Amino acid sequence: AQSVAQPEDQVNVAEGNPLTVKCTYSVSGNPYLFWYVQYPNRGLQFLLKYITGDNLVKGSYGFEAEFNKSQTSFHLKKPSALVSDSALYFCAVRDMSNTGKLIFGQGTTLQVKP
Amino acid sequence: DTGVSQDPRHKITKRGQNVTFRCDPISEHNRLYWYRQTLGQGPEFLTYFQNEAQLEKSRLLSDRFSAERPKGSFSTLEIQRTEQGDSAMYLCASSLWGDNEQFFGPGTRLTVL
Repeated sequence: AQSVAQPEDQVNVAEGNPLTVKCTYSVSGNPYLFWYVQYPNRGLQFLLKYITGDNLVKGSYGFEAEFNKSQTSFHLKKPSALVSDSALYFCAVRDMSNTGKLIFGQGTTLQVKP
Repeated sequence: DTGVSQDPRHKITKRGQNVTFRCDPISEHNRLYWYRQTLGQGPEFLTYFQNEAQLEKSRLLSDRFSAERPKGSFSTLEIQRTEQGDSAMYLCASSLWGDNEQFFGPGTRLTVL
């Protein structure tokens, strides 16, 4: 069965510093991986995805993620954090059935302090 | 706004009452999903429609839950005889045929007293 793990409940960084939000996955076959962000009382906003190709994926708002097959990881990164990046971040893997449903991690709260 | 919309945004009900939520997907999207999110957890899949056909239901979807997508457009999710454990955020998402990103609505927050 496919699964996603986000080992950190919360990540704290200072504004202007680089940030990393970790994600590891377990799938049979080639993974389709996603990152979403959720602001309070809002739905999820798509940030980026990895399907195939370059291991470094660039997405919205300056975020990027690095796919590492040997470590089964898909960590989210940003070179310089903003206070407005503070939110809840979810990593997800697409189910291998024809439905395309997403299987989410439990989420990581990112706190960027001025 | 051409995104996914959901109505209502908030619903407070008493235990035992029935509730119905509506989702309007992005108009050209064939695929529609319902997820449930409880506090401190990631969204969990409930059910999936391809056009008007409901093709998969999670074991989370007890017989008190029913979903429809008439004519392959908007969808409704009904919960009968609500229980306190049904309190959660109900999220709707849609995607294009053959595309992979799902676009989420703002969610309906249900509180069962």
